[in-house]
Amino acid sequence: KAGVTQTPRYLIKTRGQQVTLSCSPISGHRSVSWYQQTPGQGLQFLFEYFSETQRNKGNFPGRFSGRQFSNSRSEMNVSTLELGDSALYLCASSPDRGVQETQYFGPGTRLLVL
Amino acid sequence: AQSVTQLGSHVSVSEGALVLLRCNYSSSVPPYLFWYVQYPNQGLQLLLKYTSAATLVKGINGFEAEFKKSETSFHLTKPSAHMSDAAEYFCAVTSNRDDKIIFGKGTRLHILP
Repeated sequence: KAGVTQTPRYLIKTRGQQVTLSCSPISGHRSVSWYQQTPGQGLQFLFEYFSETQRNKGNFPGRFSGRQFSNSRSEMNVSTLELGDSALYLCASSPDRGVQETQYFGPGTRLLVL
Repeated sequence: AQSVTQLGSHVSVSEGALVLLRCNYSSSVPPYLFWYVQYPNQGLQLLLKYTSAATLVKGINGFEAEFKKSETSFHLTKPSAHMSDAAEYFCAVTSNRDDKIIFGKGTRLHILP
């Protein structure tokens, strides 16, 4: 099976712009989660989608949003970009919901905000 | 609230020596615990997980971890380090009460020749 794919892999934006990141989960996986990874804050949970519904959300401002499509693919959007949004954004998929589920991570999208 | 503390942001061991990466957690309910590894320019990969079955958990690449409730620890070990083990390692905790997964800050493992 193909792994989790994320596009684009690298992105440069300027402050105030918006950005959309895409994640394709492993075939058959229904849960998709997003994380932000920075040197200072480490890995932080953004949100989880299951069956096209947001099931869980981390402590991020409303500028961060996402959605999941019927084929389980997911997009994440950040509006009004700030310098502090520069980070590696990781997507992970799992077959089902549940805290015991193993998450399979994609390689990430590295976003640089200038 | 749950939390995870990884002692040591950088750990160096000689090739062939014991690897010990420390993880302590805080959870008011029975936790589920994970160790993930991240190689440069890659996403995270699960090494092993504890889900309330056996307290000694064996994972991939020769790693194992022991859940010690009395010490609230879940340290990761490997008897003999290999150069290919150089990576960043993350401990994580979640539970049925709060299914948001919390990651530790990570420990970067350096292997000395």
